[in-house]
Amino acid sequence: QKEVEQNSGPLSVPEGAIASLNCTYSDRGSQSFFWYRQYSGKSPELIMSIYSNGDKEDGRFTAQLNKASQYVSLLIRDSQPSDSATYLCAVALYGNNRLAFGKGNQVVVIP
Amino acid sequence: DAGVTQSPTHLIKTRGQQVTLRCSPKSGHDTVSWYQQALGQGPQFIFQYYEEEERQRGNFPDRFSGHQFPNYSSELNVNALLLGDSALYLCASSLQGFYGYTFGSGTRLTVV
Repeated sequence: QKEVEQNSGPLSVPEGAIASLNCTYSDRGSQSFFWYRQYSGKSPELIMSIYSNGDKEDGRFTAQLNKASQYVSLLIRDSQPSDSATYLCAVALYGNNRLAFGKGNQVVVIP
Repeated sequence: DAGVTQSPTHLIKTRGQQVTLRCSPKSGHDTVSWYQQALGQGPQFIFQYYEEEERQRGNFPDRFSGHQFPNYSSELNVNALLLGDSALYLCASSLQGFYGYTFGSGTRLTVV
């Protein structure tokens, strides 16, 4: 079982719509969760972190965490063409000072 | 405040050769982690250095080695390069005990 799984294929959304991304993780003891945005050919950039169950909002981004279901999600509201990128889910492994990453989900916002 | 600096940005090597990649962490950070990112995949953890020691290692062969210097900068060495080593190599710095990773711009390694 992979440490972090992002199974959805490329996501195409119209400009102004909501993009929804999902991620599951295997380490039940994990406490810290992150979403990174990566533009093509560039390095990952941290956009959201979440540590407690529930929702966390930052501008047009909302991260949702459900530790019981081992599930993290990211919502991008009012999607813009500049949001077109790959979004990486990352989990800090319990007792282990490193981040494990999913394979990423590509988002394409269509003007 | 300088971020994470990696050099070189691009590199082309021949199979069997050796390569050294360099990373200077963000000011105030003491921990350096190295990741390999193949095309279309997420970053894969290679190893992490703190206090000039390798603290953790991912599932990579011994051909991958590293070093951390007293000023917290780090090097990643890969020996006997294989075609499959072609990837983007990312350095991430952080403060020990915290997960606020800051990534460098990466080194694109191509093995021919």
